[in-house]
Amino acid sequence: GQGVEQPAKLMSVEGTFARVNCTYSTSGFNGLSWYQQREGQAPVFLSYVVLDGLKDSGHFSTFLSRSNGYSYLLLTELQIKDSASYLCAVRSYGSSGNKLIFGIGTLLSVKP
Amino acid sequence: NAGVIQTPRHKVTGKGQEATLWCEPISGHSAVFWYRQTIVQGLEFLTYFRNQAPIDDSGMPKERFSAQMPNQSHSTLKIQSTQPQDSAVYLCASSLQGSQNTLYFGAGTRLSVL
Repeated sequence: GQGVEQPAKLMSVEGTFARVNCTYSTSGFNGLSWYQQREGQAPVFLSYVVLDGLKDSGHFSTFLSRSNGYSYLLLTELQIKDSASYLCAVRSYGSSGNKLIFGIGTLLSVKP
Repeated sequence: NAGVIQTPRHKVTGKGQEATLWCEPISGHSAVFWYRQTIVQGLEFLTYFRNQAPIDDSGMPKERFSAQMPNQSHSTLKIQSTQPQDSAVYLCASSLQGSQNTLYFGAGTRLSVL
């Protein structure tokens, strides 16, 4: 079947880094996206990866290993305002047109 | 660009009543998605339109949920005979054709069924 798994919570310290992990299973992989969702707000797109390796986008970087069904979102030089839920979403090929399947989200708490 | 607009922001219904949720996608976006979000289940896919045509409704509870997109500027999600377990935040999102990994979400409608 298809599924996306993420840890429910993660805690880190201002000025350091945090790595949000995501594992997935899908019948036909067609890309993985990361979204940020603040309390009471809509998810906001951060990044999209479809090829293996690390994609460095400054404050946010994303890694993908398709053979292992694994991705992570790396946040560096953490700020308090990075506290939010981070959602991993996988798109798979299918006869019904490539919908995004989301994980439950990882709630990141950044402490001073 | 006002983004995806959802109305109402909050809706309270009694058990057994009907609820209609509205979504106005970003102008020029050809794909429209409906999701619902709860703390326990997270973001669950409900249904998806492309160029106003229904493409995938595999996430819709068939008996009481229905969605329509009568024109390119709005979509509706109707829930008949609402039940307490329907309480959730219902999110609408739109995307450009060919960019369906990048969804733009509305602020959502929080449905509370008493």
